[in-house]
Amino acid sequence: GIQVEQSPPDLILQEGANSTLRCNFSDSVNNLQWFHQNPWGQLINLFYIPSGTKQNGRLSATTVATERYSLLYISSSQTTDSGVYFCAVHASGGSYIPTFGRGTSLIVHP
Amino acid sequence: DAGVIQSPRHEVTEMGQEVTLRCKPISGHDYLFWYRQTMMRGLELLIYFNNNVPIDDSGMPEDRFSAKMPNASFSTLKIQPSEPRDSAVYFCASSHTGAGNTIYFGEGSWLTVV
Repeated sequence: GIQVEQSPPDLILQEGANSTLRCNFSDSVNNLQWFHQNPWGQLINLFYIPSGTKQNGRLSATTVATERYSLLYISSSQTTDSGVYFCAVHASGGSYIPTFGRGTSLIVHP
Repeated sequence: DAGVIQSPRHEVTEMGQEVTLRCKPISGHDYLFWYRQTMMRGLELLIYFNNNVPIDDSGMPEDRFSAKMPNASFSTLKIQPSEPRDSAVYFCASSHTGAGNTIYFGEGSWLTVV
């Protein structure tokens, strides 16, 4: 099956810093989502982005499907950005089952 | 929409007891997923349904686990008998084929078996 690798596994930032999280996948996809799991355990949809670029406030995401990667940018990080960021993909060919990466754990210090 | 609704949010039970977790998917969604999350194993897919029919239960750890979806708006995950190693967060999620299969999660059921 499709493999999803996220990097870095852990990231520690000072409030106000910018960061880039990466998601690599091993095969073509027809869907890619980014999630944020906050310290209370809630899994929150950030982006549905099978290709192209999207922005939502301080967060933006870019997926280059032909090169099989996606990037999540966090600008001017805040302590509320802390948590785990997951990438999930649906492999092309009619798969409706998402495959998740192992996540990037982010800690933002005040 | 109200989102995916799970209950209970927290449960503490004694080893050997039956545990039933409940899920109401987003209205109109045709896929429903049950996941388990632990520190050791991360997020694991246990079982998923399409149009109320179980499609793949290969992730269910053993016969003590069972799941049902009697109608489009309700699903249960049952553990009988429960064991301490079942302690985890159990997430229900749903998606709709016609919406790019964007998946939405409930807030999770935090299970502790003592």
